[in-house]
Amino acid sequence: EDQVTQSPEALRLQEGESSSLNCSYTVSGLRGLFWYRQDPGKGPEFLFTLYSAGEEKEKERLKATLTKKESFLHITAPKPEDSATYLCAVQFHRDDKIIFGKGTRLHILP
Amino acid sequence: EAGVTQFPSHSVIEKGQTVTLRCDPISGHDNLYWYRRVMGKEIKFLLHFVKESKQDESGMPNNRFLAERTGGTYSTLKVQPAELEDSGVYFCASSQRTVSTDTQYFGPGTRLTVL
Repeated sequence: EDQVTQSPEALRLQEGESSSLNCSYTVSGLRGLFWYRQDPGKGPEFLFTLYSAGEEKEKERLKATLTKKESFLHITAPKPEDSATYLCAVQFHRDDKIIFGKGTRLHILP
Repeated sequence: EAGVTQFPSHSVIEKGQTVTLRCDPISGHDNLYWYRRVMGKEIKFLLHFVKESKQDESGMPNNRFLAERTGGTYSTLKVQPAELEDSGVYFCASSQRTVSTDTQYFGPGTRLTVL
């Protein structure tokens, strides 16, 4: 069965302490991998789409990378406002739905 | 440009009652999706419209759920009769596939509580 696994489930960092979130997937025929940010009580907010191994994308303190089996979301010198749940999702060539992981709850302490 | 909007933001109903959720996609987006997250679980796909046609409804839990998208604009998701296990957050997303991208943009969700 196709699966998306995110780790860690939760992460607490001090402000300025860089780290990485992981998303691994066991699917074939990957069309795209997506990262979303979700704040409490809100919908997922789009961050990045990655389509091929070796691709990287950056936005402010975030950088997403993709290999053939996993993706990393690197967060550099985070600030308290970066606290949120980060969701990874994958999409296949066979259809258009996306399959989500359970997310990583990130908490940045001031 | 307005994002995906959903109404209502919250709904509390009794078991056996009917509830209708509405989603307005981003203007011009042909693809509209419904997803659901129940407590403690990941967000899961329910169904996909392309314009007014159902492209994929493989995620619909049972025949108590009915989705429509008349005219290819907004969509409704009706639950009738509601059961306790239908409680959760229902998200709508829309996309416009191009050669280079097919990103789905999500609405704020409707939190449904069935008592």
